[in-house]
Amino acid sequence: GENVEQHPSTLSVQEGDSAVIKCTYSDSASNYFPWYKQELGKRPQLIIDIRSNVGEKKDQRIAVTLNKTAKHFSLHITETQPEDSAVYFCAADSGGSNYKLTFGKGTLLTVNP
Amino acid sequence: DVKVTQSSRYLVKRTGEKVFLECVQDMDHENMFWYRQDPGLGLRLIYFSYDVKMKEKGDIPEGYSVSREKKERFSLILESASTNQTSMYLCASSFRRGGFNEQFFGPGTRLTVL
Repeated sequence: GENVEQHPSTLSVQEGDSAVIKCTYSDSASNYFPWYKQELGKRPQLIIDIRSNVGEKKDQRIAVTLNKTAKHFSLHITETQPEDSAVYFCAADSGGSNYKLTFGKGTLLTVNP
Repeated sequence: DVKVTQSSRYLVKRTGEKVFLECVQDMDHENMFWYRQDPGLGLRLIYFSYDVKMKEKGDIPEGYSVSREKKERFSLILESASTNQTSMYLCASSFRRGGFNEQFFGPGTRLTVL
C-alpha cells in the first residue's frame, strides 16, 4: 500500500520567515495530494491540495509543489504568522482509490513572535 | 457548511468493555472514515465505508469493527476495549463522485481505557 513520509517532525521559525515541509510517497499511481492543518484541540482542516496534472499551486501565503518523477511534494508558507502555528499533515490518495488517503505523521510548526 | 459530529468528546471505559463511537454527517457524503490519532504517528485509518452496509479495512483494523446501516451514520465498535486502544478517534466523510474529494473531520473522541 501507499507509504507517506513527512519531514521535519518539528519546525520552529521566527515570525515573518518562510517554512517548508516535505513529503515523499511510494505509490506512483497516486494522483491527489492534500495538506491539512490541525490547530491545538481542533479538527484537521484542508488548507490546500494539488493534483498530479499540476506542478505548483498557490493560495495567498501558502503554496504546494509536486514532483511526480521524484514522488515528492512540499508545502511552503511565506511570511509566517503566529496563527500559522499548528500541526500540518500531508497525504496522498491510494492510487486506484481516489478517496482513501494515507497521511504523513505530521509536522508541528511553531511560529515565534 | 459540512457538519460532522461525534457522539462524545471524552469517554472513559474499563478494559474488556464494549465501546461504541458514533459519527454522523449531514452532507449526504458516500464515504465515511474512522482514524485514530496518536502523538508522533499521525492519522491512521482503521476502517472506511463507501456506501451503506459496505466497509473496508484500513491500515489498523485489528480489535475494531464498524457498522453503517444508514448513509449519514458510521459507528466504530471496540468489541473488548484494551488499554492500547486509548487514543483520539477521528471520524471523517467525503463525497465519492467527482474524485479527489476533501475529507471533512469531526471534532474527535478522546477515549481512555483503564
